[in-house]
Amino acid sequence: SYELTQPPSVSVSPGQTARITCSGDALPKQKGFWYQQKPGQAPVLVMYKDSERPSGIPERFSGSSSGTTVTLTISGVQAEDEADYYCQSADSSDTYKVFGGGTKVTVL
Amino acid sequence: QVQLVQSGPEVKKPGASVTVSCKASGYTFTSYGVSWVRQAPGQGLEWMGWISTYNGYTNYAQKLQGRVIMTTDTSTSTAYMELRSLRSDDTAVYYCARRDGDYGYNWFDPWGQGTLVTVSS
Repeated sequence: SYELTQPPSVSVSPGQTARITCSGDALPKQKGFWYQQKPGQAPVLVMYKDSERPSGIPERFSGSSSGTTVTLTISGVQAEDEADYYCQSADSSDTYKVFGGGTKVTVL
Repeated sequence: QVQLVQSGPEVKKPGASVTVSCKASGYTFTSYGVSWVRQAPGQGLEWMGWISTYNGYTNYAQKLQGRVIMTTDTSTSTAYMELRSLRSDDTAVYYCARRDGDYGYNWFDPWGQGTLVTVSS
């Protein structure tokens, strides 16, 4: 089955930049989406179609895509950004959706 | 505002079935599909499948085919997810989410609050 690979954890100091990568063979054909999940809460969409930011999501969140990797960047990280982040995409035929394993962002 | 409200927690014995409901409000129910995602304790997100609220078309994750059934009641703007032959590894929080998208790409926004299903003898 198709898989998306994320680093398990990323640590960053307040005000610095956090970059979270997500790799998958179908990403050159499919778009990437990102969700933020805080403890005990439902996931929230923070990026769609690689680099589009939903309304209400701070401008410090941005997204990009290159080849088999999509990246979520958080510029000027704040304490409230500490959370688990999941990428999501689809297999090459767009039959099945898939999530990456998640990345825990820790603000030092 | 767009909102999805799910039914309450469930405790089931192995081999039983469970049905989780998801009531939508704040938008035209039949204009968006509904997806279901689950999350085992301390684990990541797992896509379970989705249902078209327009025509009832369903697409299930391969590992759940034969055990999961997704339905909708358009008169009440409610989606349902039934999981049969429950096992202990089905213990998870189950989420519904509105299936949004354009140009062939789909994403999940917003999500319901989640329903904890515990499978234990």
